[in-house]
Amino acid sequence: DGGITQSPKYLFRKEGQNVTLSCEQNLNHDAMYWYRQDPGQGLRLIYYSQIVNDFQKGDIAEGYSVSREKKESFPLTVTSAQKNPTAFYLCASRPGLPSGEQYFGPGTRLTVT
Amino acid sequence: GQQLNQSPQSMFIQEGEDVSMNCTSSSIFNTWLWYKQEPGEGPVLLIALYKAGELTSNGRLTAQFGITRKDSFLNISASIPSDVGIYFCAGRSSGGGADGLTFGKGTHLIIQP
Repeated sequence: DGGITQSPKYLFRKEGQNVTLSCEQNLNHDAMYWYRQDPGQGLRLIYYSQIVNDFQKGDIAEGYSVSREKKESFPLTVTSAQKNPTAFYLCASRPGLPSGEQYFGPGTRLTVT
Repeated sequence: GQQLNQSPQSMFIQEGEDVSMNCTSSSIFNTWLWYKQEPGEGPVLLIALYKAGELTSNGRLTAQFGITRKDSFLNISASIPSDVGIYFCAGRSSGGGADGLTFGKGTHLIIQP
């Protein structure tokens, strides 16, 4: 089946630890995105990548890092510098512009205590 | 950055009722998208609109791209229990990073049997 997978579904970490969230797609999409979702806040863009080996900061990139070594994969690392890391994290991908829209993965809920 | 005002924030309706929600912006958009998100899952694209005045249906869902290009509406007819979820609008303007997509904060639809 073609689609976007995020793993794990639930993740628990202690404060001060870095954690990496996985996002893989087999849709052959060029662009990939990471969003953070908090209750009542909608979706906020963390990072995006339009081609391999290139990525750009979104609106709330502080405390996060990404890599795009392969077209299929766009992992997100939540570092200890992120002040409020507990949230629902969504990965999305999109075919190359101008056609196609963003399709989302199932999300990872990160809880940091 | 750009902001979308999505209303209402939540709706409590009876099964079988029709539903209307909308998004407005102070900026012009050239694409409007409507997504639905169920609890603990990623958003799913429902309808995409690309032309001012466009009216598009997807089953019981109908969405319109406002003539002014600053608003969009989503209607759901004869609601059923599986319509429960959060509905997000998203608008795209030309240019901007990450394909210029801005999300509303969502309308939470709750259906009482």
